[in-house]
Amino acid sequence: DAKTTQPNSMESNEEEPVHLPCNHSTISGTDYIHWYRQLPSQGPEYVIHGLTSNVNNRMASLAIAEDRKSSTLILHRATLRDAAVYYCILRGMEYGNKLVFGAGTILRVKS
Amino acid sequence: DAGVTQSPTHLIKTRGQQVTLRCSPKSGHDTVSWYQQALGQGPQFIFQYYEEEERQRGNFPDRFSGHQFPNYSSELNVNALLLGDSALYLCASSFGYSRTEAFFGQGTRLTVV
Repeated sequence: DAKTTQPNSMESNEEEPVHLPCNHSTISGTDYIHWYRQLPSQGPEYVIHGLTSNVNNRMASLAIAEDRKSSTLILHRATLRDAAVYYCILRGMEYGNKLVFGAGTILRVKS
Repeated sequence: DAGVTQSPTHLIKTRGQQVTLRCSPKSGHDTVSWYQQALGQGPQFIFQYYEEEERQRGNFPDRFSGHQFPNYSSELNVNALLLGDSALYLCASSFGYSRTEAFFGQGTRLTVV
């Protein structure tokens, strides 16, 4: 199964940007990089995904390294409601398109 | 759009019993996957259904089985329940056998006593 490496936890101040890193050195050319987050007592929530180019949506931005071996999820202004576990996942045909969750990064936001 | 709906939200069963969990996918989605999430851990893939067939299976015993109906809804069945089956069971839906985003339900909290 595809492997990603994320820090166990990170902390941010409210209304400041947050950069959540993810390493995926064994990524293949057809793997998509997905990010999900899970708030306490809820199911995972899709955040963003990309293949090669940087992506933006209403929730976040995804910056993908040129060699695609790492990526960064950017929350432009963290709020208390962004406190969650963030999962970086590779999704591709090689894994049958299933989502393989690791431990994720616990993001704490301080007011 | 109701999103992914799961029922029931909570369930308590006794060891050895059988349980059926249900999932209705997001409108327009035809692929359903099931995950098990133990407390403090990330979700673990159980299996995926597409076109009413099990397409992939994770490392779970045959006690775990499923079904997908023509309307794309799905059931997860677990037989001979063990205490270790206590977990949050999550259903995710997506469109086609693709690499696009998946949408998750709120899950069913199963407690085996």
